[in-house]
Amino acid sequence: ETGVTQTPRHLVMGMTNKKSLKCEQHLGHNAMYWYKQSAKKPLELMFVYSLEERVENNSVPSRFSPECPNSSHLFLHLHTLQPEDSALYLCASSQEGQGDNSPLHFGNGTRLTVT
Amino acid sequence: AQSVTQLGSHVSVSEGALVLLRCNYSSSVPPYLFWYVQYPNQGLQLLLKYTSAATLVKGINGFEAEFKKSETSFHLTKPSAHMSDAAEYFCAVRRMDSSYKLIFGSGTRLLVRP
Repeated sequence: ETGVTQTPRHLVMGMTNKKSLKCEQHLGHNAMYWYKQSAKKPLELMFVYSLEERVENNSVPSRFSPECPNSSHLFLHLHTLQPEDSALYLCASSQEGQGDNSPLHFGNGTRLTVT
Repeated sequence: AQSVTQLGSHVSVSEGALVLLRCNYSSSVPPYLFWYVQYPNQGLQLLLKYTSAATLVKGINGFEAEFKKSETSFHLTKPSAHMSDAAEYFCAVRRMDSSYKLIFGSGTRLLVRP
C-alpha cells in the first residue's frame, strides 16, 4: 500500500462515545498532521508531529487527543464530542528538514458525524 | 501573519474554455505557494508548488500557475477545461523561514459545463 491511508472512511458516533481515527503513511516521512475540514470553512490545522514529538497544537479542545507512536502512525482519539465537531478529518505527512519545502501528502479523510 | 485569499467560491466554465482560479497571498517573508485539488470524497492532491526556482510553475493535468510578486498573486490556469477538472481547488502558503503551518485559502469550486 502506498501514500497516506486513513481508517475508517466514515464514522458516526454519539456524544458520549469514545472512538479513534487512524492514519498510516507509507512514504517514509518524518512529520504528520491532522486537519479538520468543515463545510464553508478553510482547512484548520489541528496538530503536527515531527519525529514523533508534537510541535503544533492549535488551541484544539481536549476532547481531541492525538497520539503518534512512531513516524508512520498517527491517531486521533475522540471523546464526548459535540455535533459541531462533525467534519472531514484529514491526515497528512511530509518530509521536513531537507532545506526544501516538501508538500503535504493527504489521506482521503474520515467523514465524522456526531449525533 | 500570512494568509491567502481565493476570489470566488465558485467558478463555472464551459468545457474547452480557459480556466482561471485566483489566489492572492500576504506574507512578511518570501513564501512557498501551493495549489491543491480535492475531488469528491477524497483528500487533497498536490497540483503544483512554487519554491522560487521559476515564476511559472507547471503542474499535473495541464495546470500551471505564475508567481507575481508585484501583485502578490499566484493564479492557477489551464488553457482548456475538461469535465474531469470539476473539483475544489485550494491555494496555500507557507513561510520559507521554517514553519509547519500551511495556511489554506477557503477554496474555489470549479464547475465545468458540457
